[in-house]
Amino acid sequence: KAGVTQTPRYLIKTRGQQVTLSCSPISGHRSVSWYQQTPGQGLQFLFEYFSETQRNKGNFPGRFSGRQFSNSRSEMNVSTLELGDSALYLCASSRLGATNTGELFFGEGSRLTVL
Amino acid sequence: AQKITQTQPGMFVQEKEAVTLDCTYDTSDPSYGLFWYKQPSSGEMIFLIYQGSYDQQNATEGRYSLNFQKARKSANLVISASQLGDSAMYFCAIGTNAGKSTFGDGTTLTVKP
Repeated sequence: KAGVTQTPRYLIKTRGQQVTLSCSPISGHRSVSWYQQTPGQGLQFLFEYFSETQRNKGNFPGRFSGRQFSNSRSEMNVSTLELGDSALYLCASSRLGATNTGELFFGEGSRLTVL
Repeated sequence: AQKITQTQPGMFVQEKEAVTLDCTYDTSDPSYGLFWYKQPSSGEMIFLIYQGSYDQQNATEGRYSLNFQKARKSANLVISASQLGDSAMYFCAIGTNAGKSTFGDGTTLTVKP
């Protein structure tokens, strides 16, 4: 069965622009979560969606937003990009989002560079 | 809130030897899961092993075992018979039922031939 697919894999933007990243979870998985990975801050939780509802949100400014569609695909958007937004953005899916009992399945990530 | 501490930024091990990667955690939730993931240079996070907070026995998956000491709040990963392909970054993570996982800063493991 197909894994988690993230697009685009690589992208370069300039400060002030906005970006939209896409994530298609494993078929049957209803939970999608997003993480930002940087060398200085490690893996930071952005938000988690389950059945089109945001259930949990990390400590990121409002410039970071997301949504989930009825087919469980998810998008995240970053507006007014800053240099510090350069990072690897990882999407992860799980069947029910019960992260105390089941592992996350990660995509290969979208590497964003902000110039 | 949950917290994961990995105190070893980098580790070296000789091929075919065993290595232990340290992880301590903190949480107030009685039900939680502890996970180890491997991240090769390609970037994708690969799940290795899981331990539930109520599990009595330590988890094992092939060459990976998790040394779970609940009273000490530690969940160390043991890799036996290291292989060159084990060179990667390893993350310890804790998850609750809230759909959020908290990750440690990671340990870079280098396997020497």
